[in-house]
Amino acid sequence: DTGVSQDPRHKITKRGQNVTFRCDPISEHNRLYWYRQTLGQGPEFLTYFQNEAQLEKSRLLSDRFSAERPKGSFSTLEIQRTEQGDSAMYLCASSFRGAEKLFFGSGTQLSVL
Amino acid sequence: GDSVTQMEGPVTLSEEAFLTINCTYTATGYPSLFWYVQYPGEGLQLLLKATKADDKGSNKGFEATYRKETTSFHLEKGSVQVSDSAVYFCAGGSNAGGTSYGKLTFGQGTILTVHP
Repeated sequence: DTGVSQDPRHKITKRGQNVTFRCDPISEHNRLYWYRQTLGQGPEFLTYFQNEAQLEKSRLLSDRFSAERPKGSFSTLEIQRTEQGDSAMYLCASSFRGAEKLFFGSGTQLSVL
Repeated sequence: GDSVTQMEGPVTLSEEAFLTINCTYTATGYPSLFWYVQYPGEGLQLLLKATKADDKGSNKGFEATYRKETTSFHLEKGSVQVSDSAVYFCAGGSNAGGTSYGKLTFGQGTILTVHP
């Protein structure tokens, strides 16, 4: 069990640029989640996948955000035309279907200048 | 929508002191309730959980009981250690239908610092 890994750990970008983050879940886990956390707040749910299917998306996920999990393994989260309000920690988590315990990665810290 | 109200911090205690962090949850139905902990430099990890009324979750000396009448899930520990210094998050998630596991609503977190 190597845990959930996220890449990169930190990303600094200029407003208007596109960014992409990657998450590698625990290999046997078929569910994968993306959360966003801003300073002093708890994580907020963005979206989740069961295998390669994206089953739910939060209203927080604007049209500039897109997530994929093409082969039911790793996932990517892309933000297009970044805005300063996108600055946050983006967390990925995984679990078995039907299990309530989520395993979180250490997150990708995004700073939009 | 669902919401979690968590005791504001930060909380500073001396070693061996008693800890309580309050948490209440507002939702349709009766969600599963969780406490997650984030140690410095690490990712969130599940500390304990309870899935129905009167359930008690416990782990590492921490306990929390699911109180249906108040939808509360207060975290307690009788004697804290320096190593318990971390950020603690209360969270709730629907357990109806089995399709929303993992879609959690988190509180804002409580920073706990324990001094020797």
